[in-house]
Amino acid sequence: GAVVSQHPSWVICKSGTSVKIECRSLDFQATTMFWYRQFPKQSLMLMATSNEGSKATYEQGVEKDKFLINHASLTLSTLTVTSAHPEDSSFYICSARWKGGEKLFFGSGTQLSVL
Amino acid sequence: EDKVVQSPLSLVVHEGDTVTLNCSYEVTNFRSLLWYKQEKKAPTFLFMLTSSGIEKKSGRLSSILDKKELFSILNITATQTGDSAVYLCARQGGSEKLVFGKGTKLTVNP
Repeated sequence: GAVVSQHPSWVICKSGTSVKIECRSLDFQATTMFWYRQFPKQSLMLMATSNEGSKATYEQGVEKDKFLINHASLTLSTLTVTSAHPEDSSFYICSARWKGGEKLFFGSGTQLSVL
Repeated sequence: EDKVVQSPLSLVVHEGDTVTLNCSYEVTNFRSLLWYKQEKKAPTFLFMLTSSGIEKKSGRLSSILDKKELFSILNITATQTGDSAVYLCARQGGSEKLVFGKGTKLTVNP
């Protein structure tokens, strides 16, 4: 099956620093990638949708200047949490889909802890 | 606001039991209803349902959708400890995005 690789799996950083999370589709071209955030005991919440080569579409309430998404190639999307604060501590997970595909394939997620 | 509500939020059963997980949704534009199994963080795809009344089956798991009553159920028969996970339901509306429920945490004890 299709594989989506996400790393790092976990990261601890100091408040005010920036963290980059990578999401790669290993054996297919991901024309669309989605970024989700999941707080403990909560559901996955969509943050943004990115299509290769165009700007990401952010969900209401998600700051685009704080969560920078780049989808420059068909196999790689990155999420950068800029000037991270403790309230940004969460589980971030990406998913990807090929053109015309219905199924979403998820990365393994990144647990971010901001001290 | 579109909502997806799953019940129960948690369930503890013994191996061999049959469980039914529920998912109800509110949406004006409906495209599909999906079920995922989340263990060790990464959700894995189980089923996609688009038509009412047609049961989808995969081994001991099955699922069906009722578009009139806006709900879906996921059945697991003869449960095993390996079925322990959080089961997520998500609906896809007119846009591409998925709206997830909070999940049902299933614990299967030996």
